[in-house]
Formats: sequence, C-alpha cells, structure tokens
Amino acid sequence: TQLLEQSPQFLSIQEGENLTVYCNSSSVFSSLQWYRQEPGEGPVLLVTVVTGGEVKKLKRLTFQFGDARKDSSLHITAAQPGDTGLYLCAGALAGGTSYGKLTFGQGTILTVHP
Amino acid sequence: DTAVSQTPKYLVTQMGNDKSIKCEQNLGHDTMYWYKQDSKKFLKIMFSYNNKELIINETVPNRFSPKSPDKAHLNLHINSLELGDSAVYFCASSRQGRGITDTQYFGPGTRLTVL
Repeated sequence: TQLLEQSPQFLSIQEGENLTVYCNSSSVFSSLQWYRQEPGEGPVLLVTVVTGGEVKKLKRLTFQFGDARKDSSLHITAAQPGDTGLYLCAGALAGGTSYGKLTFGQGTILTVHP
Repeated sequence: DTAVSQTPKYLVTQMGNDKSIKCEQNLGHDTMYWYKQDSKKFLKIMFSYNNKELIINETVPNRFSPKSPDKAHLNLHINSLELGDSAVYFCASSRQGRGITDTQYFGPGTRLTVL
C-alpha cells in the first residue's frame, strides 16, 4: 500500500484542455511538494505547500493543499505540449523524525498532444 | 555549472559485479540523498547524509553502501549486483535537510542495467 496515492497514473489530452492530478493519503503531512520530471533528467521542484487549505499558483498551474493536510491537487489550465512530463507529489510526514525524508507518490505521466 | 552531477550516466554490467556511482554537488548544501526510481517511475529514498553523517537509512540490502568523503560528495557502492538492482539512481541535495520546506535538487540520474 502506497502512503501517497497519486492519480491518474497516465493522462493523455489535447492541447487547450484542463486537467487535475490528485495526491491522497490517510496520513498527515507537514508539507507537500510537487515535482516535474522530464525524460533523462531528475525531478525539479515546482511548489511546496505547508498550510492546510493553501492554494498556490504558478502561471497556468494551481496547487492546493487539503484542509487536513492529507491530500493535494495540481490543476493545469489550457495544457500545452510543453507541459508533457512526469508529475510527482512528495510529502514530509508530520511528526517524522527523519528530517529531509520525502515520501513520493507513484507519479502521473502527462502527455499533451498538439 | 551543473548543481548536482552524477557519474556515470549509464552503467551496464553483469550480475555479481561490484560497481560505484559518484555524486557531487556544488551548491554548498549540507544534506545529500540517494533515491532509486524503478521501471514504473516510483521514486524511493535509500539514504541521506547530513554533513557526512548518515541520517536516513531505509530498508536497503546491505550490498548497498553509501560513502560521503566530504559534504559535497556522496557515492554509492553496490556489491554483488542483482537483476532487481536495475533502475535509475538519483542523487539529490538540500540546504539543511531539516526544514519542511527544504528544496531538494536532483542530479540527472544514473541508469543501471544489470544483465
């Protein structure tokens, strides 16, 4: 059983469509991060959310942290081919003793067709 | 300048061999990590060092041994390689490793294939 359940695993859409990726858990997280990974490269941090209910925007990307800090979502408006990649959510468990330890979701492979 | 670099980029080897992967960061960070990403893209932490001290050691076979000669370097040595070790291994670093908002910077990965 995954600590962070990410869905969907695969998403194939047309340019201009909107999409949402979800990251859910039964555990509480101190913070939750979203990364994007392109083929042949390492993940790159997009955003960190730390407060329950927090919403952050990065151009066409909107990130939300659930009120109870157990879930998060990433919404992309008017997707473009350049958004294609692997999106990963990662969380630091609340009360965790191993600082710096991130638990990752399974990832969402997004393909945006022109 | 590359912030987190790994060598080699690709590693193809036979079962039973011993191999090492090197990682260097020039960001002045105190904490470094090794992650394993399997064929389904699942990323899992293996080890973490803070200022050359081991602070995270997940359930990893003892064939895997990390070594940090200084805080800018974290190498991963793997003994008696097995087929299941085939994966992409990522090195990462962060400023402190203690803050809940600490950003981890990942290297480009090393694709290990065990034949």
